[in-house]
Amino acid sequence: KAGVTQTPRYLIKTRGQQVTLSCSPISGHRSVSWYQQTPGQGLQFLFEYFSETQRNKGNFPGRFSGRQFSNSRSEMNVSTLELGDSALYLCASSFQRETLNEQFFGPGTRLTVL
Amino acid sequence: QKEVEQNSGPLSVPEGAIASLNCTYSDRVSQSFFWYRQYSGKSPELIMSIYSNGDKEDGRFTAQLNKASQYVSLLIRDSQPSDSATYLCAVSGSARQLTFGSGTQLTVLP
Repeated sequence: KAGVTQTPRYLIKTRGQQVTLSCSPISGHRSVSWYQQTPGQGLQFLFEYFSETQRNKGNFPGRFSGRQFSNSRSEMNVSTLELGDSALYLCASSFQRETLNEQFFGPGTRLTVL
Repeated sequence: QKEVEQNSGPLSVPEGAIASLNCTYSDRVSQSFFWYRQYSGKSPELIMSIYSNGDKEDGRFTAQLNKASQYVSLLIRDSQPSDSATYLCAVSGSARQLTFGSGTQLTVLP
């Protein structure tokens, strides 16, 4: 079974621009979560989508948004990029059976904001 | 107060030894507990999940959970140089989102 895929793997943007990252979950997984990883803050939860609905949201500004499509693929968008948005953005998918919540990560998108 | 705390390390053990990684969490209603391994420059890889008090063994890995003490640990037996990585403890509650500790960097010395 193919794992979680993310595109692009690397991105370089300048301040003020916007960016869209894409994530395809493991086949059959309906939940997609997004995380930001930085050396200073570690892994932080951005938001989670399930059946095209945002179910949970972390403590990030409104510049960070996302959506999920009917095939469970998800995108996240960051508008008006700031230097501090430079990070590894990770997508994780989960089958979500009852209390089981094993999340499997994709390879990530490394975003650099100049 | 951090919600999930781990020994910051770094932790060094000789090859063949047992590596012990510890994690405490603050939310008493947490339901699911996970250990991820992250190699430098790579994404986290799920290596253990545990939901009930007690021990869970998978190969050289044993996860231990004590909900009363709000404590999770990971033991790696017969440590190998290939086990050298950062180990992340993650906790999930009713909201299902994962809250991660800051990770413990493990080095296994040949």
